[in-house]
Amino acid sequence: GESVGLHLPTLSVQEGDNSIINCAYSNSASDYFIWYKQESGKGPQFIIDIRSNMDKRQGQRVTVLLNKTVKHLSLQIAATQPGDSAVYFCAEKGQGDSWGKLQFGAGTQVVVTP
Amino acid sequence: EPEVTQTPSHQVTQMGQEVILRCVPISNHLYFYWYRQILGQKVEFLVSFYNNEISEKSEIFDDQFSVERPDGSNFTLKIRSTKLEDSAMYFCASSNQRGLDTQYFGPGTRLTVL
Repeated sequence: GESVGLHLPTLSVQEGDNSIINCAYSNSASDYFIWYKQESGKGPQFIIDIRSNMDKRQGQRVTVLLNKTVKHLSLQIAATQPGDSAVYFCAEKGQGDSWGKLQFGAGTQVVVTP
Repeated sequence: EPEVTQTPSHQVTQMGQEVILRCVPISNHLYFYWYRQILGQKVEFLVSFYNNEISEKSEIFDDQFSVERPDGSNFTLKIRSTKLEDSAMYFCASSNQRGLDTQYFGPGTRLTVL
């Protein structure tokens, strides 16, 4: 069935280093993916999205890579800062009658250490 | 920058009581959603809403749940008879288009059922 999952529950990163957060999906027909950041006590905040006709998309200090062959996407954060400490979710957008449904993965806790 | 707002930020209620969670979506958005997140778990889809009717609902969204857009700005989630297991963060989201469009989330309402 359709599923979105994350490889690591916690990622500890030294300030200034790059972070890589991974996500696997199982539905090869999925065509839209979003990364959200959730800080403690707050709602998910949009970071970046990517459509299946792209392999890579860049934003400010963030890059999302999509590998459709192995059904894997990743979020790279350059020069990680203390403010990047949060839980990061990948989400898959539904299709057809489920156009509005976001299916979230379990989340990866990123902890930035000085 | 426009944002989704939610009230109250925290709601405490007794089991069996009715609660109404309120949301003000981004003003030009037409598609509205509710999600919930039980503490320490992933965000789960509840319902999508467009043109004054439910587009899709999950298995969580049973007869105890209802949604309404009572006027041009508010979007509400009602739980008729709360259960202990309804304790969670409830997030409202909105988007401007269906399909491949970003959903923007509110800060959430923490519901505690005693």
